[in-house]
Amino acid sequence: ETGVTQSPTHLIKTRGQQVTLRCSSQSGHNTVSWYQQALGQGPQFIFQYYREEENGRGNFPPRFSGLQFPNYSSELNVNALELDDSALYLCASSAGPREGKLFFGSGTQLSVL
Amino acid sequence: AQSVTQLGSHVSVSEGALVLLRCNYSSSVPPYLFWYVQYPNQGLQLLLKYTTGATLVKGINGFEAEFKKSETSFHLTKPSAHMSDAAEYFCAVSDGFGGGADGLTFGKGTHLIIQP
Repeated sequence: ETGVTQSPTHLIKTRGQQVTLRCSSQSGHNTVSWYQQALGQGPQFIFQYYREEENGRGNFPPRFSGLQFPNYSSELNVNALELDDSALYLCASSAGPREGKLFFGSGTQLSVL
Repeated sequence: AQSVTQLGSHVSVSEGALVLLRCNYSSSVPPYLFWYVQYPNQGLQLLLKYTTGATLVKGINGFEAEFKKSETSFHLTKPSAHMSDAAEYFCAVSDGFGGGADGLTFGKGTHLIIQP
């Protein structure tokens, strides 16, 4: 059983740039959720993708966008990066949109300078 | 809106001692409650969850938690701490199963330190 994998593990960008983070879901899972974890904080829900559609969204601006592909992998795109976007971005997959057990990847550490 | 408060950003216990990590929540609907653990440089792993039914929930690695509606609490316990329990622990709440369209709302986390 392949777990959730995220790439890259670390990324450094400058303010105003755009970034794409990638996530491969666990085998058999059709739902992907993205979370932002700032230093010293708990993860914050960005959005969820199910059947290639955004299925729900947290309190994040439109410059945070995503995609889900037919193989259920997913991308998180952030435009016009701000310093406050520096955080660990976590991807989690699950067997369905209302499934309680989320399987998290190790995250992508994004630093915005 | 839901929220989670974890009392104590750091908790230190001796190896073999009782572990107690506190979590209080607020929710306008019957909550679904979770505890996740995060080891250094790893993603979060589900320890246990409460949805409905029995209020005492047993999880992995000897942890358990009790849902107390009257106290709006979901504290995590383990009778005897082991060095391998040192990690960051997050309590989370959802108003719909695994979060669904609204995701999980996490607390700020409690760093558990185990003293030899």
